[in-house]
Amino acid sequence: ETGVTQTPRHLVMGMTNKKSLKCEQHLGHNAMYWYKQSAKKPLELMFVYNFKEQTENNSVPSRFSPECPNSSHLFLHLHTLQPEDSALYLCASSPHYQGALSTDTQYFGPGTRLTVL
Amino acid sequence: AQTVTQSQPEMSVQEAETVTLSCTYDTSESDYYLFWYKQPPSRQMILVIRQEAYKQQNATENRFSVNFQKAAKSFSLKISDSQLGDAAMYFCAYRGSQGNLIFGKGTKLSVKP
Repeated sequence: ETGVTQTPRHLVMGMTNKKSLKCEQHLGHNAMYWYKQSAKKPLELMFVYNFKEQTENNSVPSRFSPECPNSSHLFLHLHTLQPEDSALYLCASSPHYQGALSTDTQYFGPGTRLTVL
Repeated sequence: AQTVTQSQPEMSVQEAETVTLSCTYDTSESDYYLFWYKQPPSRQMILVIRQEAYKQQNATENRFSVNFQKAAKSFSLKISDSQLGDAAMYFCAYRGSQGNLIFGKGTKLSVKP
């Protein structure tokens, strides 16, 4: 148990649905991340939040909308997704955003397996 | 842009034997960090080992050790005395001055009893 939880663990949704993924970290970290993991592709960083402020948005389509109400919680709101958005979505946290070199390690949650029909 | 390459999509090792997973990376930076992450079938990714580029000494964590060759931009992971619980996807990752982790595609390790 790394102290990062994600719900739901599995989600099936239609292209017209609206759903949200939730991530919570119990480690007292200040930075949180969303990654997308597709089959046979490297993990793709989607968003970074540092002290509740979004610091990175790696050209993610607007149908993905992140929200970080506090340093412990991170949401990913989904709407009008496409089948190619089906993937494992991983949340991670670290003590700080590692913009400067540091020894901070990212701790990952178990992921949400998303299937878009 | 930095890239991380894991040339072995799948590897297999006999229990109690030693296996080495390969990783190469491309960067023009001199200061950076390298990581190996393990993702078991339960999907929770955990850190295995970390190497600072400025350190010449190879990192070691119990049965896990790395062979870091900075000039060759190579960062292999050696698992000694393999155990059934070592079966997982292993990801090599790079973190440079921009701070983001850049991952390879992963190597699936199977451990045969």
